[in-house]
Amino acid sequence: EIVLTQSPATLSLSPGERATLSCRASQSVSRHLAWYQQKPGQAPRLLIYDASNRATGIPARFSGSGSGTDFTLTISSLEPEDFAVYYCQQRNSWPLTFGGGTKVEIK
Amino acid sequence: EVQLVESGGGLVQPGRSLRLSCVASGFTFDHYAMHWVRQAPGKGLEWVSGITWNSGYIGYADSVKGRFTISRDNAKTSLYLQMNSLGAEDTALYYCAKDTGNSLHYMDVWGKGTTVTVSS
Repeated sequence: EIVLTQSPATLSLSPGERATLSCRASQSVSRHLAWYQQKPGQAPRLLIYDASNRATGIPARFSGSGSGTDFTLTISSLEPEDFAVYYCQQRNSWPLTFGGGTKVEIK
Repeated sequence: EVQLVESGGGLVQPGRSLRLSCVASGFTFDHYAMHWVRQAPGKGLEWVSGITWNSGYIGYADSVKGRFTISRDNAKTSLYLQMNSLGAEDTALYYCAKDTGNSLHYMDVWGKGTTVTVSS
């Protein structure tokens, strides 16, 4: 099973700041990685798939990069609605796995 | 509107069984793979199981393999999860999710979830 490790666990930032979230895989997942956003009491929302492709309706301030074992989700300028928990997920091999999440909180 | 509605959750004693259902609408159900993903209280997401569009391939997390069975009825646009030998570790909110394609990749539509509590 591929283990995804997200860091940091919590990121404290102010609106307007840039957020950089990391996801590291225990073995290569090529570019087969997605990012999700989850707000309290809501289901997750797909943001990025295949490392760098934005899902339908996702604002351009969200971008993804990386390949192999190291991936990054960048939010260029945090909006108030971006404070949430973010998860990465790989689909390169079975079983599908999620990372433990990064909480982006208001500083 | 694309929608997934889960049902079947509840309080169940350890060792007992439960069957979850998910009814889909607003998209061509038999064109897409489907998943179950769970979230224990205050914890992260855990992929539970997935099934391709034609049930040709089914996958399970190691934590549920041999105890849970996923199935689908394309005529009824429904997804199911039969859960046997439930334990406290299965207590969670269970989400039904639509895949982005006909194989098992990513999840682009999610239901609101149904809660399963395993307790005596």
